[in-house]
Amino acid sequence: GQSLEQPSEVTAVEGAIVQINCTYQTSGFYGLSWYQQHDGGAPTFLSYNALDGLEETGRFSSFLSRSDSYGYLLLQELQMKDSASYFCAVRDRTGSSYKLIFGSGTRLLVRP
Amino acid sequence: EAGVVQSPRYKIIEKKQPVAFWCNPISGHNTLYWYRQNLGQGPELLIRYENEEAVDDSQLPKDRFSAERLKGVDSTLKIQPAELGDSAVYLCASSLGLAGGFYNEQFFGPGTRLTVL
Repeated sequence: GQSLEQPSEVTAVEGAIVQINCTYQTSGFYGLSWYQQHDGGAPTFLSYNALDGLEETGRFSSFLSRSDSYGYLLLQELQMKDSASYFCAVRDRTGSSYKLIFGSGTRLLVRP
Repeated sequence: EAGVVQSPRYKIIEKKQPVAFWCNPISGHNTLYWYRQNLGQGPELLIRYENEEAVDDSQLPKDRFSAERLKGVDSTLKIQPAELGDSAVYLCASSLGLAGGFYNEQFFGPGTRLTVL
């Protein structure tokens, strides 16, 4: 089967750094994505890792270790607007078909 | 450029009633997805279209759910009859090109929040 594990909630202080971990189990792993979703809003794409290593985009970075079936999203210089839910999503391949399988999300609360 | 458009944004119906959701993807996006998101959970794929063709509908409860994407542009998702457990947010997303091969970012619409009483 397929499964993704990520913490349900994380709290951090404005200006700090927070890391949201994601472990996955899937038979057709092809890559790991991260999406941000504010309450009542649409999920928006943050990053995609197909290969091992760290990808940096501004204040956000994403890491993947395929051998450990593990990835994380790193948010630096936290701002109040970063309070949202963050979903890791595995890009899974079955035959010639690809689809995203989402985790249950991590609710990040940034405090002043 | 307009994003993915969905309507209605909210819908309240009684169980056993039919309901339909509409989605207009980003212009030029060949691939369209319908997801269901339950409270406190991640989106779960219901069906994926590549142009007019439904290429993955394995998660669609076909006894009561149906979808169509005529002319390969906008799409409609229907539930008939609705059940209490169908209460959720129904998200539409679209992406460039085909979903295979290289990665194409999915762009999500704001969703339709369905409440079944």
